[in-house]
Amino acid sequence: AQTVTQSQPEMSVQEAETVTLSCTYDTSESDYYLFWYKQPPSRQMILVIRQEAYKQQNATENRFSVNFQKAAKSFSLKISDSQLGDAAMYFCAYRSGGGTSYGKLTFGQGTILTVHP
Amino acid sequence: EPEVTQTPSHQVTQMGQEVILRCVPISNHLYFYWYRQILGQKVEFLVSFYNNEISEKSEIFDDQFSVERPDGSNFTLKIRSTKLEDSAMYFCASSAWTPIQYEQYFGPGTRLTVT
Repeated sequence: AQTVTQSQPEMSVQEAETVTLSCTYDTSESDYYLFWYKQPPSRQMILVIRQEAYKQQNATENRFSVNFQKAAKSFSLKISDSQLGDAAMYFCAYRSGGGTSYGKLTFGQGTILTVHP
Repeated sequence: EPEVTQTPSHQVTQMGQEVILRCVPISNHLYFYWYRQILGQKVEFLVSFYNNEISEKSEIFDDQFSVERPDGSNFTLKIRSTKLEDSAMYFCASSAWTPIQYEQYFGPGTRLTVT
């Protein structure tokens, strides 16, 4: 079974600074997808960014980018120019890309990000 | 922009009672999911549903749970006899043609409190 680990329960960053959230995962599969979801105080889960394992290029979405190290099974999220609205719980998630997968997401424990003005 | 909706936003029930949580997925989506999040813990997969049947379920999803798509728009999660440990946030999600390529869109969640 796949597992996802986020070793940083809490992180903080100053507004306009850069912060990196860590995530490692364990799988024996070669085809899979990785995601970062944001959960603000409203509790709504919002997709931030995704990475296909077969792509070597790291995904980027505006101020959000990932550092995907497939061999190390590491998938960190970098938030540049942090804004107050980035404050939330961030979850790393794994999804199998196999033919029998129906899209089940396996989540990490989450990292609470605080942004200081 | 299309979105997943869930009702009610908060449900309080007594232990042993049955509850039904409702979700309206995005209209052209074919894959549906339920997840739960106990306060302060990670989000856990419960069940996936496709073509009017369960395609995958977790160990959490025991005989007390059931899902149904009673009409063309609603997707429900029923807990037959609630326990205190069922208190959690329940999220519905849906995805389009194939869950492999398309991300899951989550609803705002239903907070279930069992007393």
